[in-house]
Amino acid sequence: GQNIDQPTEMTATEGAIVQINCTYQTSGFNGLFWYQQHAGEAPTFLSYNVLDGLEEKGRFSSFLSRSKGYSYLLLKELQMKDSASYLCAGPNQAGTALIFGKGTTLSVSS
Amino acid sequence: GAGVSQSPRYKVAKRGQDVALRCDPISGHVSLFWYQQALGQGPEFLTYFQNEAQLDKSGLPSDRFFAERPEGSVSTLKIQRTQQEDSAVYLCASSFDPNPTDTQYFGPGTRLTVL
Repeated sequence: GQNIDQPTEMTATEGAIVQINCTYQTSGFNGLFWYQQHAGEAPTFLSYNVLDGLEEKGRFSSFLSRSKGYSYLLLKELQMKDSASYLCAGPNQAGTALIFGKGTTLSVSS
Repeated sequence: GAGVSQSPRYKVAKRGQDVALRCDPISGHVSLFWYQQALGQGPEFLTYFQNEAQLDKSGLPSDRFFAERPEGSVSTLKIQRTQQEDSAVYLCASSFDPNPTDTQYFGPGTRLTVL
């Protein structure tokens, strides 16, 4: 099967940098997504990595190593509004849906 | 433009009742997905449509769950004889093309509570 693992919770302070890790089984995944979900709201797209390496997009960057089945989301200059759940996801083998991790709840304090 | 919309946003049902949840995808999006999200968990796949064709329903938890998209646009997820374990947020998502790596855009969800 395909499993995605990520930490349940993380805490950080405003202005800091935080790295949220995600590991997955290497078979079948063709790229990796990161979504942000505020409490009671819809998940919103953050990034998609299909090739190895780091992709930077403003304060958020995402990294992928396909051989290691590993990805991380890097958030810089944290703001209070970054408090949310961060979901790692990859396409299933059938190519019909995303398989999500359980999400990492990030709490940013002042 | 308008995003994915879902209605109702909240639904309370008594155990045994039937419910129908509606999803309006982004106009022109070919692919439509339904996910179920329990509290503190990530979304779990239920079913996938490409236009009006239901190509994958492997995630539907039982035969009490039924989904349709008759004209390739609006979709309805129906749950018959609701049970307490059906309580969850039901998310709908759409994407422009059938490529599984195309970005999915999610609606706000319908929070179903079965008493």
